[in-house]
Amino acid sequence: AQSVAQPEDQVNVAEGNPLTVKCTYSVSGNPYLFWYVQYPNRGLQFLLKYITGDNLVKGSYGFEAEFNKSQTSFHLKKPSALVSDSALYFCAVRVNTGGFKTIFGAGTRLFVKA
Amino acid sequence: DAGVIQSPRHEVTEMGQEVTLRCKPISGHNSLFWYRQTMMRGLELLIYFNNNVPIDDSGMPEDRFSAKMPNASFSTLKIQPSEPRDSAVYFCASSSIAGGPVNEQFFGPGTRLTVL
Repeated sequence: AQSVAQPEDQVNVAEGNPLTVKCTYSVSGNPYLFWYVQYPNRGLQFLLKYITGDNLVKGSYGFEAEFNKSQTSFHLKKPSALVSDSALYFCAVRVNTGGFKTIFGAGTRLFVKA
Repeated sequence: DAGVIQSPRHEVTEMGQEVTLRCKPISGHNSLFWYRQTMMRGLELLIYFNNNVPIDDSGMPEDRFSAKMPNASFSTLKIQPSEPRDSAVYFCASSSIAGGPVNEQFFGPGTRLTVL
């Protein structure tokens, strides 16, 4: 079955420290991977995506993600966390079901402490 | 661009009543998605359309739920009759299908539904 896993319900990090939010996937064929962020009482917002090419993808707000095919992972990273980065983060993969639907992970809540 | 527009933003209704949620996708987008988000079940895809045609409705929980997309700029999600367990935030999202699966989705602000 095609799926996305976010093994951590919550990640806590101090402001200024690097952060990592983990994601692993299981798909047949080429993976099309995405990260979204959700702030309280808002819809999801796109952060970045991996389609092909360079394994390190840069996105909005200083976030980046590294695609690792052998480990089937797509971890989200940021070198220096901000308090304003506190939010719910979703990893997602687009799969071919006749059209292309998106499978979202369960989400990881990031808390950045001042 | 105004982004994806959803209405109403909040809906409180009583069990057994009909509820209709509305969505206007971003102009030019030809793929539309309806999601439901709850604490217990996370973000669930209910149904999606390509070029106004339903492609996958396997996530629609039961026959009480129905969705339509009569044209490229409007979609509805209807629950009839509503039940307390339908209480959730319902999101609409749109994207372009040009180029296949490479495009991100743009989400609306959501409709918070409470069924008493």
